[in-house]
Amino acid sequence: AQSVTQLDSQVPVFEEAPVELRCNYSSSVSVYLFWYVQYPNQGLQLLLKYLSGSTLVKGINGFEAEFNKSQTSFHLRKPSVHISDTAEYFCAVSDQGETSYDKVIFGPGTSLSVIP
Amino acid sequence: GAVVSQHPSRVICKSGTSVKIECRSLDFQATTMFWYRQFPKQSLMLMATSNEGSKATYEQGVEKDKFLINHASLTLSTLTVTSAHPEDSSFYICSARAEYTGELFFGEGSRLTVL
Repeated sequence: AQSVTQLDSQVPVFEEAPVELRCNYSSSVSVYLFWYVQYPNQGLQLLLKYLSGSTLVKGINGFEAEFNKSQTSFHLRKPSVHISDTAEYFCAVSDQGETSYDKVIFGPGTSLSVIP
Repeated sequence: GAVVSQHPSRVICKSGTSVKIECRSLDFQATTMFWYRQFPKQSLMLMATSNEGSKATYEQGVEKDKFLINHASLTLSTLTVTSAHPEDSSFYICSARAEYTGELFFGEGSRLTVL
């Protein structure tokens, strides 16, 4: 069974500073990896996903993540954050099932707070 | 882009009543949908996998008689919380897997408050 660890439960960062949100996963098979963002009282929005190919994945809102198979990591980065990036961020993993996506398992989440 | 609609977005009910939440894929067919539960300030916990035309697969620890899931068509799955109690109050989110691309799309969530 797969699992996801997000070591930082809360990350405060000043506006226009860079940020990295860490994610590590464990699985016995090949995986797909995702980052989602959730604003208060709302559903999830996909930021980016890694399915195959290039290990550096670019997503929406200036975010990117790098898949590192040897370290089983998929850290999320943004070079310059904005106030509007304040939200909860979830890393998620899905085994590569027979029909594309298997069930998606979420990490505990990281609360990003951007300080003016 | 593909849209998944959940209804109702908010519901308040009395203890002991049953509540149904709908999850619809608006512009694609989904043979598989997933139901998640999210407590305040916590992550999403997978409750069950809903398969069109067959019984749902529940995760360990989830009471299938408490949380009834019906996936009657390729665009609709329902979650019924039976005999709801205050501890069932939560944010419930569904996701649907697009038939041809395999991509997952999430609904906006339904907040259930049981008084």
